[in-house]
Amino acid sequence: GESVGLHLPTLSVQEGDNSIINCAYSNSASDYFIWYKQESGKGPQFIIDIRSNMDKRQGQRVTVLLNKTVKHLSLQIAATQPGDSAVYFCAEILYNQGGKLIFGQGTELSVKP
Amino acid sequence: NAGVTQTPKFQVLKTGQSMTLQCAQDMNHEYMSWYRQDPGMGLRLIHYSVGAGITDQGEVPNGYNVSRSTTEDFPLRLLSAAPSQTSVYFCASSYGAGVNYNYGYTFGSGTRLTVV
Repeated sequence: GESVGLHLPTLSVQEGDNSIINCAYSNSASDYFIWYKQESGKGPQFIIDIRSNMDKRQGQRVTVLLNKTVKHLSLQIAATQPGDSAVYFCAEILYNQGGKLIFGQGTELSVKP
Repeated sequence: NAGVTQTPKFQVLKTGQSMTLQCAQDMNHEYMSWYRQDPGMGLRLIHYSVGAGITDQGEVPNGYNVSRSTTEDFPLRLLSAAPSQTSVYFCASSYGAGVNYNYGYTFGSGTRLTVV
């Protein structure tokens, strides 16, 4: 079926360490993936995206890796800061279903000073 | 450029009442969607639209209606509110599926709805 899920619901890291948030998806037809950050009381905020014809994409302090063989993607945050504390969602766009955006469960990242 | 605007920010309804959650975007986005987010959970798709006059059901459409008469607006109607519809509702918009488009959806700040 169509679902995007996360391996871990919570992640606690020390300030300055690198964070890795994982996500599994089940729809092999998915062509486009997005990571969102959601702070308390706010709407999701776009972080980085990746298309299925790529296996890695880098942004500012963030990197997304895509492994289509095992239907897995990850978000790496370098030198994690207290401001990175939030819930992170992976999401996929289903082009074969009108381009709708489907979210995974979410991982809460807590950064300890 | 206001982005995605949702009104109201907070609402309390009695069981059985109806209401409309408003969503407007000024980015000329074709795609618009409504999600609900329950505590400790992800966002679930209620309804979505790929353009004016076109709507479709998402994962949890029951109890909700939508229409898309203009590109800018995508209201969500609760026909007869139930306590199970207590949630935070998010509206989102995107340019849509095109070769040179940014596919990322932009989200509003949400409407917190309580049904008593």
